[in-house]
This record gives sequence, structure tokens and C-alpha cells, in this order.
Amino acid sequence: DVVMTQSPLSLPVILGQPASISCRSSHSLMHSDGNTYLSWLQQRPGQSPRRLIYEVSKRGSGVPDRFSGYGSGTDFTLRISRVEAEDVGVYYCIQDTHWPPTFGQGTKLEIK
Amino acid sequence: EVQLAESGGDLVQPGGSLRLSCAASGFTFSDHWLDWVRQAPGKGLEWVGRIKRKIDDYVTEYAASVRGRFTISRDDSKNSLYLQMNSLKIEDAAVYYCTDLGTAFWGQGTLVTVSS
Repeated sequence: DVVMTQSPLSLPVILGQPASISCRSSHSLMHSDGNTYLSWLQQRPGQSPRRLIYEVSKRGSGVPDRFSGYGSGTDFTLRISRVEAEDVGVYYCIQDTHWPPTFGQGTKLEIK
Repeated sequence: EVQLAESGGDLVQPGGSLRLSCAASGFTFSDHWLDWVRQAPGKGLEWVGRIKRKIDDYVTEYAASVRGRFTISRDDSKNSLYLQMNSLKIEDAAVYYCTDLGTAFWGQGTLVTVSS
């Protein structure tokens, strides 16, 4: 199985400051169809996961533009340009290029 | 509006069985592959399994941890997804979500507790 490794696992951030989360995969996530199926999910406390970013850098419907994703191959990043209070929660990367789909361990973002 | 609503979570003894359901609305259910993902208390997300569409022969795939014990099925006429869980173990205790990992659709989850 593809192992997804996130860092850091805990991310204290000052309101209004930027934040970045790294996700590294054990195998390249480039699919034979040319797409890279790497997504980022946000799970706020007590809520279901919500997809923020798909195919590395495409923002989901209704997702604020302060969230952005980039990367390629085995190295990916989720960036929040200015953290807001509503961004508190756990962030997961997930790959669906290789079977089975696998998740990162999660990064807990909190306000410092 | 897309909605996925899981139900059927309960307290069950080790070795017991449970059937979860997921009722969908707001999208063309039959066009989508559907997944079950679970989250043990205080833990991360774990993919459980997937069922593909009719044109893909309703192929099912399972995580190694549940293969042979869990069965995923769907009824496109009822816009419903199911997860039959047999021989339940303590480590199967989790919130179970139905989702389409290829889209942004996630349900609210249903809690399965496995305890004697």
C-alpha cells in the first residue's frame, strides 16, 4: 500500500498567519491517465470530513481561496494563506491513484 | 443539495453482525462509485471498501482488515448503499462514513460500538 506521511502532526498557528502542511507518498501519485489523485480533507471538531482540494491543486466548490495545494510526484503541500478561527481542525491528505486509497495520519491545526 | 445519510450504527458484541445503510439524494446515484471510510475514536481515517457502478459490473473492493467479513452492496433503484458487517471485532468500532472519494460527498457518519 502507498504510505502517506504528513508533517507536522501538530500545527499551532497565530490567527492571520500562513500555515503549510506537507504530505509525502511512498510512491509517485501520477496516474497512467496523466492525473494525480491527491486530495486534501478538512475535519472540523465534531464534523465529517470535507474535501478542500482535489487533484493536487483544484479547489472544491465553496472552498475559500486562502486554501491552495501544490506539488507533484511524491511531495505535496497544503497552504493556508491567512489562518482564520474556523480553520481549526484536522487536515488529511489522501491518495486514490493506487489501490487501495490511503490517508495521511492527519495534522491537527490549532490557534496559538 | 447532495446528501448522504448513514444509519444502522449500534452497540454489538464481538462476533456479532450489523448492517449499515446510506441513503443518498441530490445527485445521480447510479453514476457514482461509492466508498465506506471509518474513523476509530480519536484516530484517523481508514478506507474500508468500495463498490463501483453497474457499467463496471458493481465490482467491490475491500481493505485487507475487513475482507471476508464485510460486504458492500447497493440498490440504485433506492439510491442506497449498504455495508454488511459480520464477525465484528473490537477494532471495528468506529464512526462509519459513506462517501464518494472522487467527489466532495460525505455523510455525517454512524457510530458502531463493539463491546461485550
